[in-house]
Amino acid sequence: DTAVSQTPKYLVTQMGNDKSIKCEQNLGHDTMYWYKQDSKKFLKIMFSYNNKELIINETVPNRFSPKSPDKAHLNLHINSLELGDSAVYFCASSAGTKYEQYFGPGTRLTVT
Amino acid sequence: AQKITQTQPGMFVQEKEAVTLDCTYDTSDPSYGLFWYKQPSSGEMIFLIYQGSYDQQNATEGRYSLNFQKARKSANLVISASQLGDSAMYFCAMMSEEGYQKVTFGTGTKLQVIP
Repeated sequence: DTAVSQTPKYLVTQMGNDKSIKCEQNLGHDTMYWYKQDSKKFLKIMFSYNNKELIINETVPNRFSPKSPDKAHLNLHINSLELGDSAVYFCASSAGTKYEQYFGPGTRLTVT
Repeated sequence: AQKITQTQPGMFVQEKEAVTLDCTYDTSDPSYGLFWYKQPSSGEMIFLIYQGSYDQQNATEGRYSLNFQKARKSANLVISASQLGDSAMYFCAMMSEEGYQKVTFGTGTKLQVIP
């Protein structure tokens, strides 16, 4: 019954590694998002896809690359991880771009 | 550009009392939406309530109501009859309803309900 799911929930890795976070939603939504929440709880959008098309691409290092294989999935790949990438990453989805968003449980990434 | 301001980093409320969490916003868009989300200590983000800028009445969802004052650009969240489970971070957010617009979040207010 999980609406928006993310894997993994926790990710601990060393600097310089490459890692991916996966997100899936079963709500039938056509828009999906990636957010980053820093240690001060500030939530900032990174990317948004509508019907598999990238529509929002904030000022994010190009080490971060989203990919949406279909409307129900949005993955985030991060290359050459840095200490400053440590944060909680949330996936979210909405029915279109003008409606409330439903969030996944978050992935806590720790880079050592 | 959109901006959301939550001036209360932390608040306390006695159980069963009502509490108001402040939110002011700034935008030049004629049409927009305002949201409130709850983030308990477990970390998930939970959608609470939505108010459209052209809605005539304030939004209500159970014990949550949004006190929308357009002229003052404020969208305060009122929680009635506070419960211990209401202890959490609360985020105000807004989104323009013009085209593909991102949601901008405030910095949050940490609410603690005292038994």
